[in-house]
Amino acid sequence: DQQVKQNSPSLSVQEGRISILNCDYTNSMFDYFLWYKKYPAEGPTFLISISSIKDKNEDGRFTVFLNKSAKHLSLHIVPSQPGDSAVYFCAASLTSGTYKYIFGTGTRLKVLA
Amino acid sequence: GAVVSQHPSRVICKSGTSVKIECRSLDFQATTMFWYRQFPKQSLMLMATSNEGSKATYEQGVEKDKFLINHASLTLSTLTVTSAHPEDSSFYICSAREGKQPQHFGDGTRLSIL
Repeated sequence: DQQVKQNSPSLSVQEGRISILNCDYTNSMFDYFLWYKKYPAEGPTFLISISSIKDKNEDGRFTVFLNKSAKHLSLHIVPSQPGDSAVYFCAASLTSGTYKYIFGTGTRLKVLA
Repeated sequence: GAVVSQHPSRVICKSGTSVKIECRSLDFQATTMFWYRQFPKQSLMLMATSNEGSKATYEQGVEKDKFLINHASLTLSTLTVTSAHPEDSSFYICSAREGKQPQHFGDGTRLSIL
């Protein structure tokens, strides 16, 4: 039972354009969401997070949107840069207990120069 | 800040060997550490959660006698894969968290059992 899904395994975007990565979840109890970026042979790096009390959080070129009714979140990167090419994982969590994360399967973003 | 060091990065060993992987938080005190396993093209699957000084909490389906976790200090957790077999070959990755901050990950260990 995949509670967090990233249905697009890959995405290609031209440099300077917007990259939109999507993530869906099934458990309405999740109240904290995160995006991580992963380069080959490295561990995931935290990018941005959002609490369920918000519907948007912005940090520089990165913006995360949360639609609780649709159980959907997205990460927007604008403008996209070649260095953004990586695998992006979304994760969902409950802010109680151990705060463990449930990860999606990742989307490989390729930004074309 | 928030650096997590994982060692070794790659292990190749014979079937039946026990393998220990270390995870250290270098510049913060990790109240909680997590161990994940990742199969090719799949998600990071949580194996266990450990808090300093207490027993680890294992996820369903993870054998605690097979994957021994020790979290002896606020900066160090170890995962020992006991009597490893080829099916244990995988990418193991740890993360650490201070309080309610986001988890920070090590670079992972590629384990190959011959």
